[in-house]
Amino acid sequence: NAGVTQTPKFRVLKTGQSMTLLCAQDMNHEYMYWYRQDPGMGLRLIHYSVGEGTTAKGEVPDGYNVSRLKKQNFLLGLESAAPSQTSVYFCASSFRLAGDGGGELFFGEGSRLTVL
Amino acid sequence: AQKVTQAQTEISVVEKEDVTLDCVYETRDTTYYLFWYKQPPSGELVFLIRRNSFDEQNEISGRYSWNFQKSTSSFNFTITASQVVDSAVYFCALSEAPVRDDKIIFGKGTRLHILP
Repeated sequence: NAGVTQTPKFRVLKTGQSMTLLCAQDMNHEYMYWYRQDPGMGLRLIHYSVGEGTTAKGEVPDGYNVSRLKKQNFLLGLESAAPSQTSVYFCASSFRLAGDGGGELFFGEGSRLTVL
Repeated sequence: AQKVTQAQTEISVVEKEDVTLDCVYETRDTTYYLFWYKQPPSGELVFLIRRNSFDEQNEISGRYSWNFQKSTSSFNFTITASQVVDSAVYFCALSEAPVRDDKIIFGKGTRLHILP
């Protein structure tokens, strides 16, 4: 079982370039999330989605856009990359809301992005 | 606003010692959910436990135990008879779980080193 798959796994960008990270899950999960992980900062929520066609801002949404056109995919876009966006990005999905007895997140392996 | 504080940045113990990882949270809601995740050196995040705000019973799973105390807003994690395989970064997380939303916020993590 693939679970949550992120592509690409590694990418190097120059300042000002754009790119899209793709997250795909094959578990028919309703809820999807994008986090970034930086040394000393833990995991910070960028954007999330509570269903197909919906997105919401997390803790650090500036500089990122997202789309959830299909239930299984959650795209994270950087329109004009900046060195401050150098990070490891994790996508996650969950079957049910925490309030409905869920909240367990299934994570992808991470995507390491470097912006020069 | 929801907040999770893991004051211990890094801990080192000798194998077979017991170790407790602290987690303090802030929330205005009476209904909320707490989680612990493990991130081993391989990088993937793994769910360990979920606890709702109405259940203050301690939980034990093998060498792992969790102590939830609403009075001190803490959800601490203890590993008994630690092993080298327990070396990882551990994250505490909180969801306030409003209706049809699920913003899950993580602490900064505690890096645990188990020395042989």
